[in-house]
Amino acid sequence: AQTVTQSQPEMSVQEAETVTLSCTYDTSESNYYLFWYKQPPSRQMILVIRQEAYKQQNATENRFSVNFQKAAKSFSLKISDSQLGDTAMYFCAFQLSNFGNEKLTFGTGTRLTIIP
Amino acid sequence: DSGVTQTPKHLITATGQRVTLRCSPRSGDLSVYWYQQSLDQGLQFLIQYYNGEERAKGNILERFSAQQFPDLHSELNLSSLELGDSALYFCASSGGGGAQTQYFGPGTRLLVL
Repeated sequence: AQTVTQSQPEMSVQEAETVTLSCTYDTSESNYYLFWYKQPPSRQMILVIRQEAYKQQNATENRFSVNFQKAAKSFSLKISDSQLGDTAMYFCAFQLSNFGNEKLTFGTGTRLTIIP
Repeated sequence: DSGVTQTPKHLITATGQRVTLRCSPRSGDLSVYWYQQSLDQGLQFLIQYYNGEERAKGNILERFSAQQFPDLHSELNLSSLELGDSALYFCASSGGGGAQTQYFGPGTRLLVL
């Protein structure tokens, strides 16, 4: 079974600074996908970024980028120029690429607070 | 707005009762997933349907059941409710052809008193 670990329950950073959220995972599979989802106070789950394991290039989406280290099974999220609207719970998630086994396995989340 | 809709937004009921949560996937998506988010268990996968058929099952209690209808909307039925069933229930949808990004609905917050 796959597991996802987020070892930082809470983090805070000043507005406009850069912050990195950590995520490690455990799997014996070689083909999979990794995601970061954001859950603001509204509780909506919002996709932040997606990484395919077969791609060596790290995914980026505007101010959000990942550092994907496949051998180390590490998948961290970097938020640059942080904004107040980035305040949220952030969940790392793992998904196998197998047909019929597409469920997401989530970490326990990191609560990020952006301080004005 | 993800394009996934869920009703109702909130539900308050008593122990022993039965409720039905409804989900409409994004236009064109064939897969629907149900997840439960609770304080003690975190985000847990319950069940997946693809084009009307059950495709995968997770930590879903026997008191819970789901189905996906021909128009692709899905319902999650929770019966003999217990206090511990209080949680946020999410529906997500994806195209369904192998691993694809799942887009989440706003969730249904269930409170069992």
